[in-house]
Amino acid sequence: GAVVSQHPSRVICKSGTSVKIECRSLDFQATTMFWYRQFPKQSLMLMATSNEGSKATYEQGVEKDKFLINHASLTLSTLTVTSAHPEDSSFYICSASPPVDGEAFFGQGTRLTVV
Amino acid sequence: SQKIEQNSEALNIQEGKTATLTCNYTNYSPAYLQWYRQDPGRGPVFLLLIRENEKEKRKERLKVTFDTTLKQSLFHITASQPADSATYLCALDGGGSYIPTFGRGTSLIVHP
Repeated sequence: GAVVSQHPSRVICKSGTSVKIECRSLDFQATTMFWYRQFPKQSLMLMATSNEGSKATYEQGVEKDKFLINHASLTLSTLTVTSAHPEDSSFYICSASPPVDGEAFFGQGTRLTVV
Repeated sequence: SQKIEQNSEALNIQEGKTATLTCNYTNYSPAYLQWYRQDPGRGPVFLLLIRENEKEKRKERLKVTFDTTLKQSLFHITASQPADSATYLCALDGGGSYIPTFGRGTSLIVHP
């Protein structure tokens, strides 16, 4: 199957700093990537849809100035958590789909801890 | 509003038995339904996709059924093994949107 790589897998940062998470599609081009957030024992919550070459589409309630998304190429999308606070601590996961069948391929996830 | 329900209680079964997980949905008319496996601290991994015009799909020890009248999908793992222990998520396409919506998943624990 297709491969989506996410980096870093784990990051601890101080409150007030910014953290960048990268999501790469390794063997296919992805005009669209998705960013999710997941709390323990909860469902994946879609945060935003990242569109190559244009602005991301954010879900209701997600602060676009807090979670900056850049999709500069067909294989790379980045999520930057700006001025992070402890309540931003969570598991962030990206996904992308090759243009067949609708199945989604997920990155490994990033565990963000803000102290 | 659209809703996907998966049993929040963990399913505990003995090795070798068949595990059956349920996904119910309301206010959807999905073109397809998917099942994913998620291990702790990892992203989900795609397992199977079944379309609305398919009743059943199999892949090795996995079997998925899709009943659009009952608005339900069943996910079976036959001859279960401890390595099958994980959380299993069902996902539906958004009824016209290509972005899947996920249930919260059911934890499966297979005891040796």
